[in-house]
Amino acid sequence: QVQFVQSGAEVKKPGASVMVSCRASGYTFTTYPLHWVRQAPGQRLEWMGWIDAGNGNTKYSQKFQGRVTITRDTSASTAYMELSSLRSEDTAVYYCARLGEGGAWGQGTLVTVSS
Amino acid sequence: QSVLTQPPSVSAAPGQKVTISCSGSSSNIGNNYVSWYQQLPGTAPKLLIYDNNKRPSGIPDRFSGSKSGTSATLGITGLQTGDEADYYCGTWDSSLSGEVFGGGTKLTVL
Repeated sequence: QVQFVQSGAEVKKPGASVMVSCRASGYTFTTYPLHWVRQAPGQRLEWMGWIDAGNGNTKYSQKFQGRVTITRDTSASTAYMELSSLRSEDTAVYYCARLGEGGAWGQGTLVTVSS
Repeated sequence: QSVLTQPPSVSAAPGQKVTISCSGSSSNIGNNYVSWYQQLPGTAPKLLIYDNNKRPSGIPDRFSGSKSGTSATLGITGLQTGDEADYYCGTWDSSLSGEVFGGGTKLTVL
């Protein structure tokens, strides 16, 4: 079945960058887009962007434009999300997900931004 | 403020039925498929409904989805204490060119 395994929790200082990885299994990686969604403590789900895993094209939420970069390594069936210029408001659980039919979510990666 | 509007909470007794609404606009629900997700405490969201009313394999038929115009509804029958969770609707927004989610609805099974 479709599964995503994400990298472990991170603690970062304000102004730093963080990269979260997401390894896919159970399907052909290049045939579906992969999304990144975050959830701040006690808050709603917030879409950050997605990548066409086949050709590498990306689309980002305007809120994160300029700070987020999503990439993929097709040989490793892995996608990456890098968020820069971190601030305390970026403390959240970050998820990778395949949405729609056959959808599944990674287990989430907690990123804590604190001085 | 969410693009999609859900009630913050709903509650019902075990064995009863509950519905959760999700209201949007023509740029999202009105012209795109709606999905519903269940998020148990401390876990990742899980797909319950996709394409407005389809259930992934393994999701019991106690869960159903429907859409009319710019609103969608999740129905849950035969409520169980294990259904206590947060429920989110989600869909593509053509104006924003991005996925949007409701604010989430907390279901309490009394």
